[in-house]
Amino acid sequence: IVLTQSPVTLSLSPGERATLSCRASQSISNYLAWYQQKPGQAPRLLIYDASYRATGIPARFSGSGSGTDFTLTISSLEPEDFAVYYCQQRTNWPPTFTFGPGTKVDFQ
Amino acid sequence: QVQLQESGPGLVKPSETLSLTCTVSSFSITNGFYWGWIRQPPGKGLEWIGTIFHSGTTFYNPSLKSRLTMSVDTSKNEFSLKLYSVTAADTAVYYCARYGDWIDSWGQGTLVTVSS
Repeated sequence: IVLTQSPVTLSLSPGERATLSCRASQSISNYLAWYQQKPGQAPRLLIYDASYRATGIPARFSGSGSGTDFTLTISSLEPEDFAVYYCQQRTNWPPTFTFGPGTKVDFQ
Repeated sequence: QVQLQESGPGLVKPSETLSLTCTVSSFSITNGFYWGWIRQPPGKGLEWIGTIFHSGTTFYNPSLKSRLTMSVDTSKNEFSLKLYSVTAADTAVYYCARYGDWIDSWGQGTLVTVSS
């Protein structure tokens, strides 16, 4: 299964809404997660099972979709949200994982 | 809260073996999660390497399977990675991680450079 993310780069200002897309080459049900990575840091789990926020993740982050098309929305960008976002799918059994190529959200 | 720490050489020669260990603290690796490795070449995206259960059951990325061995030492609460016959393309930050259904905890990452 191949994951494609768009756009490659999203240039926005604080307070704006960010909409990131992830598309799978075949249906993956809701087996999709989103991670945020800042420079020099390990990724952090934001969203799992397509739409559930991980522990401690602010409500401005939301995920939606199922099947092949998924979206991560940041309702109002905070300065700390400028980062790279990766989607990831998993297979149920055996448990294998694939990452998308990432979307960079940077300052306009 | 679980903590993971990678350790191993930061420089490996081409054709040799890359060996890394992940030490887990504040959580027993026998406590029902999977454990594994992800890597990230400089300036590039994330690549899943493989996953291991405390029983020793492993799941590998097919693209690396022929060069990869993962193992676990429950007495030391750690797990390890060996990647054989490395080339410059294996230069990356290597992260160890804990997997429930998803990767919920990560080590800080360690840069391994393959160069003579």
